[in-house]
Amino acid sequence: EVQLVESGGGLVQPGGSLRLSCAASGFTFSTYGMNWVRQAPGKGLEWVSIIGGGGATKYYADSVKGRFTISRDNAKNSLYLQMNSLRVEDTAVYYCVRKGLVRYSPDFDYWGQGALVTVSS
Amino acid sequence: QSVLTQPPSASGTPGQRVTISCSGSSPNIGSYTVSWYQQFPGTAPKLLIYTNNQRPSGVPDRFSGSKSGTSASLAISGLQSEDEADYYCAAWDDSLNGYVFGTGTKVTVL
Repeated sequence: EVQLVESGGGLVQPGGSLRLSCAASGFTFSTYGMNWVRQAPGKGLEWVSIIGGGGATKYYADSVKGRFTISRDNAKNSLYLQMNSLRVEDTAVYYCVRKGLVRYSPDFDYWGQGALVTVSS
Repeated sequence: QSVLTQPPSASGTPGQRVTISCSGSSPNIGSYTVSWYQQFPGTAPKLLIYTNNQRPSGVPDRFSGSKSGTSASLAISGLQSEDEADYYCAAWDDSLNGYVFGTGTKVTVL
């Protein structure tokens, strides 16, 4: 059974940093691209970043480029999101999401339960 | 502001057919495939349709997707009370070099 479990969320002051982790199990982790998708309270879904199975290919949403860094450790079946220079508008539930195997398709087939990040003074 | 536009709401009575549109442009829907997601309050989204019209295992065939030009649609036939949820479209966008989600549509079963 595929499982994605996020951790590391919490309350942080504007300008601060936080690192989210996602523990994956139930599939061959290195085969799949992995994403972070967020949802601000009462708002819609926003794609944040994707990393390829090998870790070399990375893309970011303009809203987080230069501030967030996605990475993965295939030996530990883990995905990470390092978030720096956090802003109030980064407040959201952050989902760890597996991407299926169809190239360029947003076939996000498994989602974690989400980790809440609150940026507030 | 998302580059994929959906109507904020849609509604129907049980048994009716409801259609949700997703309007994009050439760099996204015009060039790439579309997926649809269903989300209930307080839970993670669920993949409903991928590659424009394919259903993952376990998704009822009441849900169907289509794409034409720079727009896509999700149809729910035989609407049921448990279909009351938020629905989002998504696609890759060449000009943004990233994925984009639609603005979301709340479906209400009257």
